[in-house]
Amino acid sequence: DIVMTQSPDSLTVSLGERATISCKSSQSISSSSNNKSYLAWYQQKPGQPPKLLIYWASTRESGVPDRFSGSGSGTDFTLTISSLQAEDVAVYYCQQYYSTPYTFGQGTKLEIK
Amino acid sequence: EVQLLESGGGLVQPGGSLRLSCAASGFTFSIYAMSWVRQAPGKGLEWVSAISGSGGSTYYADSVKGRFTISRDNSKNTLYLQMNSLRAEDTAVYYCSKNIRACSSSSCYFYYYMDVWGKGTTVSVSS
Repeated sequence: DIVMTQSPDSLTVSLGERATISCKSSQSISSSSNNKSYLAWYQQKPGQPPKLLIYWASTRESGVPDRFSGSGSGTDFTLTISSLQAEDVAVYYCQQYYSTPYTFGQGTKLEIK
Repeated sequence: EVQLLESGGGLVQPGGSLRLSCAASGFTFSIYAMSWVRQAPGKGLEWVSAISGSGGSTYYADSVKGRFTISRDNSKNTLYLQMNSLRAEDTAVYYCSKNIRACSSSSCYFYYYMDVWGKGTTVSVSS
C-alpha cells in the first residue's frame, strides 16, 4: 500500500500570510506514460464533507480560488495558500489515486494566528 | 445539480450487519465509478471501497475486505455498501462520493479521486 504522510499535523498562520502543507508518498505516484501525478487535495471544514480543491497535483477544481495552488511530482507534493483568508480554516488532506487502496494523508489542521 | 444522499446508518451491535444506500441525482450515474470513504470520530479520512460504472470491478481496503460488499443498481441510480461482521472500529461517518471519468477521442479512463461528496451517514457499532 502507498502511505501518504502530511506535514505538519497542524499549522497556524496569520491572515494574509502564506500557508504551505507538504504531502509525501511512500512510492512514486507519477506516471511516465501520461506525465501526470495522481495526487488530489481536499479541504474539510467542521461538520462538512470534504471538498475537492486540486487534482493531478496542480489542477485547480472549478470554483476554487486561485490563492490555492498545488505542485510537486514523484513522491513530494505541496499545497500552498498564497494569502490566508479566514474562511480557509479547515483540515486539508492529500490523496493518491495511483493505485488501490486509494490512501489519504492523515490531515493538516490549519488555523489563524 | 449533482447530489448524493446517503442513508441507512444507525446503531448496531458488534457482529451485526447494516446496508448503506446512496441516492445519486443530477448526472448520468451509470457511467461513473463511485466510492465510499469513512471518517471515524475525530479522525482523518479512510477510503473504504470503490466500484466501476458497470459494477463489474470492485475494490476494497484491507480493513473491510471480506466483510463489506459494494454494489450498485444503475436502474435506480443508487450505490450500496453492505456491511457485515461489524466491529467497534467501523464506527464512523460514511461518505458516498463520485469519481472521475475522462474521455479522449478514442477511450475513456476512470480516476479514483472524488469530485462530489454526500453529507454522510453515521454508523455506530456498540453493545
